Amino acid sequence: AQTVTQSQPEMSVQEAETVTLSCTYDTSESDYYLFWYKQPPSRQMILVIRQEAYKQQNATENRFSVNFQKAAKSFSLKISDSQLGDAAMYFCAYRGTSGTYKYIFGTGTRLKVLA
Amino acid sequence: NAGVTQTPKFQVLKTGQSMTLQCAQDMNHNSMYWYRQDPGMGLRLIYYSASEGTTDKGEVPNGYNVSRLNKREFSLRLESAAPSQTSVYFCASSEASGLPLSEQYFGPGTRLTVT
Repeated sequence: AQTVTQSQPEMSVQEAETVTLSCTYDTSESDYYLFWYKQPPSRQMILVIRQEAYKQQNATENRFSVNFQKAAKSFSLKISDSQLGDAAMYFCAYRGTSGTYKYIFGTGTRLKVLA
Repeated sequence: NAGVTQTPKFQVLKTGQSMTLQCAQDMNHNSMYWYRQDPGMGLRLIYYSASEGTTDKGEVPNGYNVSRLNKREFSLRLESAAPSQTSVYFCASSEASGLPLSEQYFGPGTRLTVT
């Protein structure tokens, strides 16, 4: 069975600095999708970035980028120029492609941004 | 285009009472999901429906039932609420036919307290 692990329950970053959130996963599939979701205090889950495993190039969305290491089964999120509005829970998620419709979520990392 | 809607947003139940959480999506998605979110546990899948007419158990189905009423609507029922079911419940949907795999889109959540 697939698993997703986020080993950092909480992280802090100074405003305008860079922070990296870690995510590792376990799977026997060769093709899959990985996601980072943000959950601010409003509770609404918002997609931050997605990565398709067959693409070697790391995904980037403005200040957000990932470091996807397929062999190491690692999918970290880098937030550059951190802003106060980045403070939230961040969840890493996995979705396979071989017949399952389930998404597997990690336990989340709470990010605090210090002014 | 409302996306995924959930009702109610808040609910307090007494132990043993029953209730149904409603979810609807207007994105023509095939798959719909119910999660619960508890502190330190991330999002845990209760039930999902890969397509209209099918439902399957997720990680924590005990104490819950679901109905995929039609393509748009997916309800979650608690027959006899227990304090252990105090949680925030999220509905999500994904996968429009004929399009590449998409991320999940989430509703705003329902905060349920069972006393």
